[in-house]
Amino acid sequence: SQTIHQWPATLVQPVGSPLSLECTVEGTSNPNLYWYRQAAGRGLQLLFYSVGIGQISSEVPQNLSASRPQDRQFILSSKKLLLSDSGFYLCAWSAGQGAQTQYFGPGTRLLVL
Amino acid sequence: DAKTTQPTSMDCAEGRAANLPCNHSTISGNEYVYWYRQIHSQGPQYIIHGLKNNETNEMASLIITEDRKSSTLILPHATLRDTAVYYCIVRVVYNQGGKLIFGQGTELSVKP
Repeated sequence: SQTIHQWPATLVQPVGSPLSLECTVEGTSNPNLYWYRQAAGRGLQLLFYSVGIGQISSEVPQNLSASRPQDRQFILSSKKLLLSDSGFYLCAWSAGQGAQTQYFGPGTRLLVL
Repeated sequence: DAKTTQPTSMDCAEGRAANLPCNHSTISGNEYVYWYRQIHSQGPQYIIHGLKNNETNEMASLIITEDRKSSTLILPHATLRDTAVYYCIVRVVYNQGGKLIFGQGTELSVKP
């Protein structure tokens, strides 16, 4: 069966510091991968999605970037964190073909101070 | 993707069926109804989806009205662990990269 991992689970970072969050999927090949952010008390906002290695689409302009160095690895990065980057970051995957049901990872809670 | 309307909160007694309604009056013919739930501090969990026929799986049943303008998610025997925010989403399937638009959802409290 497929599983999705995210780490770290929680992170406290100072403003201006860099960020790297990692997401990996097991048990599937060529998945579509997604990064969402959930601010406190709000719905999910899609940040990036990827349909293949090196292919990244950005949904909204922001202080973050994403990369997909391997088929089942998706990384979210920032060079300098802002206070507004705090939130709950969720990675999701869907099968590369067919119905696009998205399955979410456990999330990373980021607090920027 | 079409907009959905759900009640803000609902209570349910443990062991009883929980019926969560969703209105999606502007749904298009190629849009499916999806349900997810999010337990506090966890990632959203996929529950079920359907197009026009009723669907059932090990977690829940989905009842979609004939005109497809509304649906109901049924948890047949709610437990305390079913306490969560439940999101109804309508979206086009077979849409690579398509985002899920989560509204405010229904906060379901299952009480002993």
